[in-house]
Amino acid sequence: QQQVKQSPQSLIVQKGGISIINCAYENTAFDYFPWYQQFPGKGPALLIAIRPDVSEKKEGRFTISFNKSAKQFSLHIMDSQPGDSATYFCAAMGTYKYIFGTGTRLKVLA
Amino acid sequence: NAGVTQTPKFQVLKTGQSMTLQCAQDMNHNSMYWYRQDPGMGLRLIYYSASEGTTDKGEVPNGYNVSRLNKREFSLRLESAAPSQTSVYFCASSEMWSQETQYFGPGTRLLVL
Repeated sequence: QQQVKQSPQSLIVQKGGISIINCAYENTAFDYFPWYQQFPGKGPALLIAIRPDVSEKKEGRFTISFNKSAKQFSLHIMDSQPGDSATYFCAAMGTYKYIFGTGTRLKVLA
Repeated sequence: NAGVTQTPKFQVLKTGQSMTLQCAQDMNHNSMYWYRQDPGMGLRLIYYSASEGTTDKGEVPNGYNVSRLNKREFSLRLESAAPSQTSVYFCASSEMWSQETQYFGPGTRLLVL
């Protein structure tokens, strides 16, 4: 069974701090790596995504770092805000495959 | 433009009862999906429909059936509900099967007693 392993399960960060969530995958055929953000009572929504031909992608306070050789990628949230408190899912997509990580519940303290 | 809508929002069933979860999208997307979300398990694909008229099993299809009624609608049926099917169910759609971004509905919370 192909997997995407995500850590940590939960994360508490002070306002203004950096939140880091890590994911690791097994299948080298994956070619698209998105992060989804989910607020309580809502469905997940695409936050940011990267392809393996680049090592980093930044959108505002959100950055994906990608290490192809290690088969790992991570989400960095700079200057974390209470409004960032949500559950974050990494995912990996390949041909006819879309695998989600188990999620990280982030709480940013005011 | 409502995106992806799901009904009902919440349902309580007794073991053995049946029900259908409804999903509709107004984005003219070709592909639709049903996921279940359980604590510590992430999102797991139950069934998907790559295009109108086709359906295929995902990772956890046992105990479920689906119908792609038309391009807009994709329903999920539990024929004989079991407590193990207590979960939050999400419908999603994407422009094409190979399209990266999936758009999710608000979810249906199902409790099977």
